[in-house]
Amino acid sequence: AQTVTQSQPEMSVQEAETVTLSCTYDTSENNYYLFWYKQPPSRQMILVIRQEAYKQQNATENRFSVNFQKAAKSFSLKISDSQLGDTAMYFCAFMKRRPGAGSYQLTFGKGTKLSVIP
Amino acid sequence: DAGVIQSPRHEVTEMGQEVTLRCKPISGHDYLFWYRQTMMRGLELLIYFNNNVPIDDSGMPEDRFSAKMPNASFSTLKIQPSEPRDSAVYFCASRGDRGTGELFFGEGSRLTVL
Repeated sequence: AQTVTQSQPEMSVQEAETVTLSCTYDTSENNYYLFWYKQPPSRQMILVIRQEAYKQQNATENRFSVNFQKAAKSFSLKISDSQLGDTAMYFCAFMKRRPGAGSYQLTFGKGTKLSVIP
Repeated sequence: DAGVIQSPRHEVTEMGQEVTLRCKPISGHDYLFWYRQTMMRGLELLIYFNNNVPIDDSGMPEDRFSAKMPNASFSTLKIQPSEPRDSAVYFCASRGDRGTGELFFGEGSRLTVL
C-alpha cells in the first residue's frame, strides 16, 4: 500500500515571499502520478499541479513548481510570490497507474495548512 | 462543463436517521470516487466505480454504508442508520479514462449527525 507523508501541519509566509511545502511518499511502483491539491475555506478541492513519475523534468504552473526527487521519493511544492488567495490547506496525493488493485485512486497526505500574511 | 455536482451541500440529521448523498459526475468520465474527510483521519477513499461497477469498497467503514451507481450520470452514498461519528465532509470525484489523470472533485456534502 502507498503512503503519503506531509510533515508540516501548518506553515505561514509573508505576502510576495516564497514558501516550500514538503511531501514524501512510499511506494514500490514505478509508474505513477503525483499531485498537489489546494482546499481553500470554501472546501472545494482544486488541482494545483501534477507530475508524472516517468518525467524527469519538474512540473511548473505559473507561480507553482515542484521539486520531484524520484529516488528519494520526495515531491515538494514551491509557491513563489505568495498571494493572500493562496491561503488554504494543501494536500499531496499519489496515484498508481499500473492496472490492478488500487489503481487510479488517490492516496492523500494529511495536509499542510498554509497562511499567507499581509 | 458543469463539473461534479453534489447534493445536499449541508445535511443535519439525528442519530438513527437515513442519509442519502448524491453525485453527478462529469459527463464522459468513467471513474467515480467517494471520499470522506475528517479532522482526525484526513481524506479517506470509501469506494470507487469504473463504468458504473464498484471496483474497490474496502474503505466503506461498516455495513451501514452503501453506495450505488445505477447509471453513468448518477451515484448515491447512503448511511443507514446514521451515527454521530459519521459526521464529516463527503466528497464525490470523477475521472476520465483518458487525459492527465487527475480527479475532479465536487464541492462536498457536510454531514452533521446529532
